[in-house]
Amino acid sequence: GAGVSQSPRYKVAKRGQDVALRCDPISGHVSLFWYQQALGQGPEFLTYFQNEAQLDKSGLPSDRFFAERPEGSVSTLKIQRTQQEDSAVYLCASSREDPNSPLHFGNGTRLTVT
Amino acid sequence: GESVGLHLPTLSVQEGDNSIINCAYSNSASDYFIWYKQESGKGPQFIIGIRSNMDKRQGQRVTVLLNKTVKHLSLQIAATQPGDSAVYFCAENSGDYKLSFGAGTTVTVRA
Repeated sequence: GAGVSQSPRYKVAKRGQDVALRCDPISGHVSLFWYQQALGQGPEFLTYFQNEAQLDKSGLPSDRFFAERPEGSVSTLKIQRTQQEDSAVYLCASSREDPNSPLHFGNGTRLTVT
Repeated sequence: GESVGLHLPTLSVQEGDNSIINCAYSNSASDYFIWYKQESGKGPQFIIGIRSNMDKRQGQRVTVLLNKTVKHLSLQIAATQPGDSAVYFCAENSGDYKLSFGAGTTVTVRA
């Protein structure tokens, strides 16, 4: 596709359930990012991949959050034992290798934990 | 995102007028600043970026101004159109891959 694709678009989970959010970056983009956006706030950095290597996971809120990109393309963000405070929009972005290349964001997955 | 912030959370502008959106930052080490536009239900969309060695950059209907002395960034939109209604975020990059976003300004264009 032409842009970053994320699925599902919406996810409702009961507290304690595990969820998996998928990101298909733009083909050929080396860098992939996950951001979390709370309602009314700007996106907050979660983690960064360069190809299949996770170079920074300092933004992940807890060890319940796990991200992977095993073949350097598609990425999955997994949240285990979801809590209400995990409710947010999870944005994926990809870019070329240059740190100042614009990030191309997907439309996000809106996670609601009930 | 703690070092980047916006002066006003909302801005209402008449269609056809110029809009000015402001942003203050505190990280002197930031070397690249970006404006993003986010429409409802969509991800942020890159508008324009400016490096720290510049003070002005123009795009199509948009101008970004950077004042490093007072750590201020602004986005000017000429002849604002209904399609410009969105939340606008400034973001900064301090030389690595991370972007720090401000909280955003909601722009509403009145017909």
